[in-house]
Amino acid sequence: EAGVAQSPRYKIIEKRQSVAFWCNPISGHATLYWYQQILGQGPKLLIQFQNNGVVDDSQLPKDRFSAERLKGVDSTLKIQPAKLEDSAVYLCASSPQGLAYNEQFFGPGTRLTVL
Amino acid sequence: KNEVEQSPQNLTAQEGEFITINCSYSVGISALHWLQQHPGGGIVSLFMLSSGKKKHGRLIATINIQEKHSSLHITASHPRDSAVYICAVREGGGADGLTFGKGTHLIIQP
Repeated sequence: EAGVAQSPRYKIIEKRQSVAFWCNPISGHATLYWYQQILGQGPKLLIQFQNNGVVDDSQLPKDRFSAERLKGVDSTLKIQPAKLEDSAVYLCASSPQGLAYNEQFFGPGTRLTVL
Repeated sequence: KNEVEQSPQNLTAQEGEFITINCSYSVGISALHWLQQHPGGGIVSLFMLSSGKKKHGRLIATINIQEKHSSLHITASHPRDSAVYICAVREGGGADGLTFGKGTHLIIQP
């Protein structure tokens, strides 16, 4: 079974530029999560999708971050414009359904550096 | 919002030692996850538990729901166990993304 795919793996941009990340979850997984992991910290949930609907985006900085999952499969996360403090690893995870007893499967992450 | 605390933050031990990593949380949960993260970012789920104890190979995870506390044990530790171990909790309900601790950086020296 193929795992969660993310691209790009690395991205370097200057502040005020825009950037987009892509995630393809495990086939058949209804729930998709985007997490932000700043160096030295645990990941923080940015947004949770159930199919193509948003379940939780309470910690997403909506003035600059946006995410979509139009067909309920793959997803994109965009930052526009980027700030220095957005430098982090952006992790995508998926699970069969967003239920307490379901395991989450993580992608390799995209490491973003904002200069 | 749940607060997840892990201890110790850093741990260096000799090969063969018994390792214990602790996790405490502030609000009742529906499940607790132990995850392993190697340099380069990949995260692998080790355990998911809501009560009692689970064992997989040399790894053992326990949880005490009343005390809001969990432990991860590694028996006969090996240098390949060196990684960051992260505790994460799930509060249940529809919006149930994980809340993570900061992780424990474990180094096992040969």
